[in-house]
Amino acid sequence: EAQVTQNPRYLITVTGKKLTVTCSQNMNHEYMSWYRQDPGLGLRQIYYSMNVEVTDKGDVPEGYKVSRKEKRNFPLILESPSPNQTSLYFCASSPHRGSYEQYFGPGTRLTVT
Amino acid sequence: AQTVTQSQPEMSVQEAETVTLSCTYDTSESDYYLFWYKQPPSRQMILVIRQEAYKQQNATENRFSVNFQKAAKSFSLKISDSQLGDAAMYFCAYLLGNQFYFGTGTSLTVIP
Repeated sequence: EAQVTQNPRYLITVTGKKLTVTCSQNMNHEYMSWYRQDPGLGLRQIYYSMNVEVTDKGDVPEGYKVSRKEKRNFPLILESPSPNQTSLYFCASSPHRGSYEQYFGPGTRLTVT
Repeated sequence: AQTVTQSQPEMSVQEAETVTLSCTYDTSESDYYLFWYKQPPSRQMILVIRQEAYKQQNATENRFSVNFQKAAKSFSLKISDSQLGDAAMYFCAYLLGNQFYFGTGTSLTVIP
């Protein structure tokens, strides 16, 4: 089954404790992206990747890192999480460039206390 | 800065009726893509419809259609014959280059 998976689905952590949210797709898609969703703000793009070893900042990259060492994986790293990073995070992928349908993962609910 | 505005935080529609959700965007570019996404209570994001800016013809997908007015920078979504399963948050999105910009969403309630 074609899908985008994210782990964990729920995470509660404390300020400053490094964490990684994994994202994997099995569709050989070139384009992958991370978003955060906050009430009243919609979705905002954090980072995106056009292909392996090619990443770029979205609208709200501060406090986040990403890597794209393999085509299928695009982890989101929070080196020192803060409470303002409490949010719902989505990973998405599409065949290329984002001009076609983005397939979204199920979301990761992150709480930073 | 690129912006997408959805001026209706909440909308409601009677089952089987038609509803239109509005979206406007701000750009000086001419080559871009527009999308409507649906997010039901399950939180899963689902693509509803897509429009290329260079195409004058409005996109249609079954009961969903758009009214794309490029000069006015307007991209509204019309849902015909509304069904209970259409109840969801709807997001308008704009793709410029390789970057996506989303609106703040419209919560649609379908009344039986």
